[in-house]
Amino acid sequence: AQSVTQPDIHITVSEGASLELRCNYSYGATPYLFWYVQSPGQGLQLLLKYFSGDTLVQGIKGFEAEFKRSQSSFNLRKPSVHWSDAAEYFCAVEGGSNYKLTFGKGTLLTVNP
Amino acid sequence: EAGVAQSPRYKIIEKRQSVAFWCNPISGHATLYWYQQILGQGPKLLIQFQNNGVVDDSQLPKDRFSAERLKGVDSTLKIQPAKLEDSAVYLCASSSSGRARDEQFFGPGTRLTVL
Repeated sequence: AQSVTQPDIHITVSEGASLELRCNYSYGATPYLFWYVQSPGQGLQLLLKYFSGDTLVQGIKGFEAEFKRSQSSFNLRKPSVHWSDAAEYFCAVEGGSNYKLTFGKGTLLTVNP
Repeated sequence: EAGVAQSPRYKIIEKRQSVAFWCNPISGHATLYWYQQILGQGPKLLIQFQNNGVVDDSQLPKDRFSAERLKGVDSTLKIQPAKLEDSAVYLCASSSSGRARDEQFFGPGTRLTVL
């Protein structure tokens, strides 16, 4: 069965600083990987996804993520964080006969002015 | 394009009471999902519908939870009787086909508090 680990429960960065959120996955076949963002009181919004090909994928809101098969990682990055990026971020892997999404426990991002 | 709609947004009940949540997916989406998100955790799939048939309900506590999707459009999720540990946000999502790499679109969720 697939699984996702997000090692950091809570990260605090200053506005304008760079950001990296870590994600490690476990899946036997080629993984389909996703990053979602959840603002308070909102549903999840897809930031970006990786299926195949170029291991550096670009998403919305200036986010990017890099797939590293050797490390089973799919870390999310942003060069300069804005106060509006404060939210909870979830990494997910798709797998199984019904293409089920399995989520990590999330990383809460706080942005200091 | 209208998104996934859910109601109510908030619900507070006493333990052993019953509660129902409603979801209206994006028009034309064949696949509908219900997730449970407990505080501090990621969403966990409870049940997946393909049109009006169940694809996966392996993590649905069937002794107290039930769900239906009549006519393959909107859906209801019911809990009867509720327990304290059912306090969570219940998210509904839909996708066009439910096949590999198909994006899931999420509603705002219903926050349930069981006292």
